[in-house]
Amino acid sequence: DAMVIQNPRYQVTQFGKPVTLSCSQTLNHNVMYWYQQKSSQAPKLLFHYYDKDFNNEADTPDNFQSRRPNTSFCFLDIRSPGLGDAAMYLCATSRATGTGYEQYFGPGTRLTVT
Amino acid sequence: SQQGEEDPQALSIQEGENATMNCSYKTSINNLQWYRQNSGRGLVHLILIRSNEREKHSGRLRVTLDTSKKSSSLLITASRAADTASYFCATGATNKLIFGTGTLLAVQP
Repeated sequence: DAMVIQNPRYQVTQFGKPVTLSCSQTLNHNVMYWYQQKSSQAPKLLFHYYDKDFNNEADTPDNFQSRRPNTSFCFLDIRSPGLGDAAMYLCATSRATGTGYEQYFGPGTRLTVT
Repeated sequence: SQQGEEDPQALSIQEGENATMNCSYKTSINNLQWYRQNSGRGLVHLILIRSNEREKHSGRLRVTLDTSKKSSSLLITASRAADTASYFCATGATNKLIFGTGTLLAVQP
């Protein structure tokens, strides 16, 4: 089945220690998104790629970076995690950008910062 | 800035009852989508309604859209315990979705 996969499902890192979360898709979608979701809150878009074009949200901290080496994979790098970065990180894909396209989400990676 | 707000924030009903959730948004939209999120999981797309549509059905789901009031509602009929989840509306006028605050639905067996 075509899907969006996120690894690992749970990640524990230390304060200030770089961490990378990964996402892969078998849907062959052009767009890949990274969202941050804190407890009982709405998912908040961090950035997205349309093919190789990177689009950063204005309020995404510089601490968050992303890489998309090919269509299938996308990575979220947190250079120096703080306690406030503990959250669920969701990867999603869609065929194109725009509100007329549904997004397909992975199961998420829950990040704990100690 | 947050585009959509859901009401109520939380809803508890008995199995078999209907559940209605409302979403209000601020600016003009082209489309509105509803998603479900089970606890600790990713979001699942439920339904998309376009700005020129007033009502849409999918199985036990009924979505309405009133662009004059900038609001939408999601009705789940004959609810089941498996419907227990958070439900989010998502809107936007440009190239991205902005998710609302969500309604936490608990269906008691």
